[in-house]
Amino acid sequence: KQEVTQIPAALSVPEGENLVLNCSFTDSAIYNLQWFRQDPGKGLTSLLLIQSSQREQTSGRLNASLDKSSGRSTLYIAASQPGDSATYLCAGGDYKLSFGAGTTVTVRA
Amino acid sequence: GAVVSQHPSRVICKSGTSVKIECRSLDFQATTMFWYRQFPKQSLMLMATSNEGSKATYEQGVEKDKFLINHASLTLSTLTVTSAHPEDSSFYICSARGAMNTEAFFGQGTRLTVV
Repeated sequence: KQEVTQIPAALSVPEGENLVLNCSFTDSAIYNLQWFRQDPGKGLTSLLLIQSSQREQTSGRLNASLDKSSGRSTLYIAASQPGDSATYLCAGGDYKLSFGAGTTVTVRA
Repeated sequence: GAVVSQHPSRVICKSGTSVKIECRSLDFQATTMFWYRQFPKQSLMLMATSNEGSKATYEQGVEKDKFLINHASLTLSTLTVTSAHPEDSSFYICSARGAMNTEAFFGQGTRLTVV
């Protein structure tokens, strides 16, 4: 079974600083890796999907990389803003997704 | 991205009653839908996977007679919490995806409170 770990559990940064969120997984045969954002009491918003043949995806200020050999994915958020404050979840798997516990980010104005 | 609509967003029910939660994919055909449960400050726990027209597959430890899942069409799945008890109070979220290699999209979640 795929085990997904996210470190740190919480992160607080001043506005403008770049964010680096880490995700590690146990099974290198991971099919897809997806990053989500969750605001308090809300569902999940898909941020980026890295498919099995890809190593990186970018969308605006967000960039996610996937290194299957080391079992790691990293989400970079450039020039953070207070509106980026949320919990970020990574999930991987084939058809079923296994989720990490998330990193709760606070961007201070 | 695609839109998955989940309804209701909040529900309060009395212990012993049943509650139905709907999950609709609005602009794509969802081959498979997933139901998750999330406890406060914890990650999502997969409860069951449902494919259109067939019985749902439940994860270990999830009571299929308590959490009834119906996936009658490619755009609608329902989760019914039967004979709800206070310990069933939680945040339930559905997810839908098309083919295996595609993005998973999530509903807004349903906060269930059983009193």
